[in-house]
Amino acid sequence: QQQVKQSPQSLIVQKGGISIINCAYENTAFDYFPWYQQFPGKGPALLIAIRPDVSEKKEGRFTISFNKSAKQFSLHIMDSQPGDSATYFCAARGGIQGAQKLVFGQGTRLTINP
Amino acid sequence: DAGITQSPRYKITETGRQVTLMCHQTWSHSYMFWYRQDLGHGLRLIYYSAAADITDKGEVPDGYVVSRSKTENFPLTLESATRSQTSVYFCATRVGGLTEAFFGQGTRLTVV
Repeated sequence: QQQVKQSPQSLIVQKGGISIINCAYENTAFDYFPWYQQFPGKGPALLIAIRPDVSEKKEGRFTISFNKSAKQFSLHIMDSQPGDSATYFCAARGGIQGAQKLVFGQGTRLTINP
Repeated sequence: DAGITQSPRYKITETGRQVTLMCHQTWSHSYMFWYRQDLGHGLRLIYYSAAADITDKGEVPDGYVVSRSKTENFPLTLESATRSQTSVYFCATRVGGLTEAFFGQGTRLTVV
């Protein structure tokens, strides 16, 4: 119930295309859903996040779509660029106030071909 | 430089030895976290701290010990290293009570 399942494990997209990464969760008590981007040899970096009372959030070329009834959320990268090649992690936050913890998906390695 | 500094960046140790990974933040963020990253598992929480002298277990705490005597430091100790603890370890801080916003560069630990 605490798992977050992420797919696909790897993804190859042509430059200019749309990259889509999906995540699904079971625990309806999760209350915050961030996405992280990680380049080789670096720590993860917070990319974008959404609350479950919002169906979509957009920041530049990055959009989170959230489907509360289906318990799914996805990251869309529009006009994908080679510089977007990285590993992406979804996560979900749960727990009591002051003790909230993140549960991460397994990660998606995205490659944008020039 | 402002941010999170982890040391060492790379460490090779033998089974059974004690090893300490250091994490230092230049801010005064209350929450600090230790994660391990393994292929196919994403990041898994080991321990976290809400403030100095307040720590709690995460998902995979066995074999690890933490302390936080000062707000800016959060060391992680492997009391008796095992090969299963070979991993990349990340320290992180949380800002604004929402989510982990800043991660260190990581420590790659190999236990032989």
